[in-house]
Amino acid sequence: DIQMTQSPSAMSASVGDRVTITCRASQDIKNYLAWFQQKPGKVPKRLIYSSSSLQSGVPSRFSGSGSGTEFTLTISSLQPEDFATYYCLQHSSYPWTFGQGTKVEI
Amino acid sequence: EVQLAESGGGLVLPGRSLRLSCTASGFTFDDYAMSWVRQAPGRGLEWVGFIRSKVYGRTTQYAGSVKGRFTISRDDSNSIAYLQMNSLTTEDTAMYYCTRAGTAPYSHFFDVWGKGTTVTVSS
Repeated sequence: DIQMTQSPSAMSASVGDRVTITCRASQDIKNYLAWFQQKPGKVPKRLIYSSSSLQSGVPSRFSGSGSGTEFTLTISSLQPEDFATYYCLQHSSYPWTFGQGTKVEI
Repeated sequence: EVQLAESGGGLVLPGRSLRLSCTASGFTFDDYAMSWVRQAPGRGLEWVGFIRSKVYGRTTQYAGSVKGRFTISRDDSNSIAYLQMNSLTTEDTAMYYCTRAGTAPYSHFFDVWGKGTTVTVSS
């Protein structure tokens, strides 16, 4: 199975900060990677697909990059509504696997 | 509007079975693979499995933790995906979500989720 390791697991940040979350795959997954945001008690929301394609309606402060084994999700200027947990998901090979999550706190 | 709605969750005894349903609306269900994802209380997201569309033979793939116990099926005429869960254990206690798993170019891959249905396995 492909392991997806996110770092950090949790972080504290302030409004206006630039935030970068990393997801590392245990083997090459090309660009078969998506990013999700989940707020407490809410349904996950897709932010990015195919490593760098922005979901329609998602603010442009969110961006994704990477290919192969290393990927990043960047929030260029953190907003109050961005405090949440973020997950990556690889769908290069079965079983598809999520990262363990990164909690972004104030 | 594209929507997914899960149902069928509840409290079940260990070792028993439960079937979840995911009813789709607002899109051509037949054209899409469908996937199930779960989240245990206080834990992260876990992919459960998925079923391809008819064009791809309605074949399935599963996570190792559920393989042999869970079965995903679909009723394209009624736009419903099912998750049959057998031999349930307390480890299966979770919120279960269904999601659309579109193929390349992946603009419709995991883009829509249902609100989820809660499964509690307890004696």
